[in-house]
Amino acid sequence: EDQVTQSPEALRLQEGESSSLNCSYTVSGLRGLFWYRQDPGKGPEFLFTLYSAGEEKEKERLKATLTKKESFLHITAPKPEDSATYLCAVRYLAGGTSYGKLTFGQGTILTVHP
Amino acid sequence: DADVTQTPRNRITKTGKRIMLECSQTKGHDRMYWYRQDPGLGLRLIYYSFDVKDINKGEISDGYSVSRQAQAKFSLSLESAIPNQTALYFCATSDSSYEQYFGPGTRLTVT
Repeated sequence: EDQVTQSPEALRLQEGESSSLNCSYTVSGLRGLFWYRQDPGKGPEFLFTLYSAGEEKEKERLKATLTKKESFLHITAPKPEDSATYLCAVRYLAGGTSYGKLTFGQGTILTVHP
Repeated sequence: DADVTQTPRNRITKTGKRIMLECSQTKGHDRMYWYRQDPGLGLRLIYYSFDVKDINKGEISDGYSVSRQAQAKFSLSLESAIPNQTALYFCATSDSSYEQYFGPGTRLTVT
């Protein structure tokens, strides 16, 4: 069954302690992998889209990378304001048709302590 | 002003009542989506629409219906609300890039 799995479920870091979040996928015909940030009680906020293995994108302290089986969201020297749930989602071919649907992972809850 | 707005933001209703959640967007996107989010289950797609004349079921459409009144408006209805429809509901929009932009959400409680 096609699926998207994020790990760890929760991650606690000290301010300045760099780490990575993982998003692994088993879908075939990937047409895009998306990263979102979600603050409590708010809608997800779009961060990045990656389309092909080897692609990287950066925004402030965040860098997203993509391989053929997984994506990593690297957080360098995090600050308390980076605390949020980080979601990944994939868009893929299904039955020979490219749908506009995204399939989301469960998310990683990141807490950065001062 | 927010690009994607949802009304109401919070709603408490009773079992069996009909409820409508509304979504409006000023991003000019042609594609709109309705999701629900439950703890431990993540975001799940209810319905999506690629233009005014196009409506498609998502993975959990049973018990829900939608209406695309205009390019900028997409409504979700619960014809007869039940307690397991208690959740956080999000509307989202996208253009052909499929990068989705979400509204602030509606917290719905069915008692």
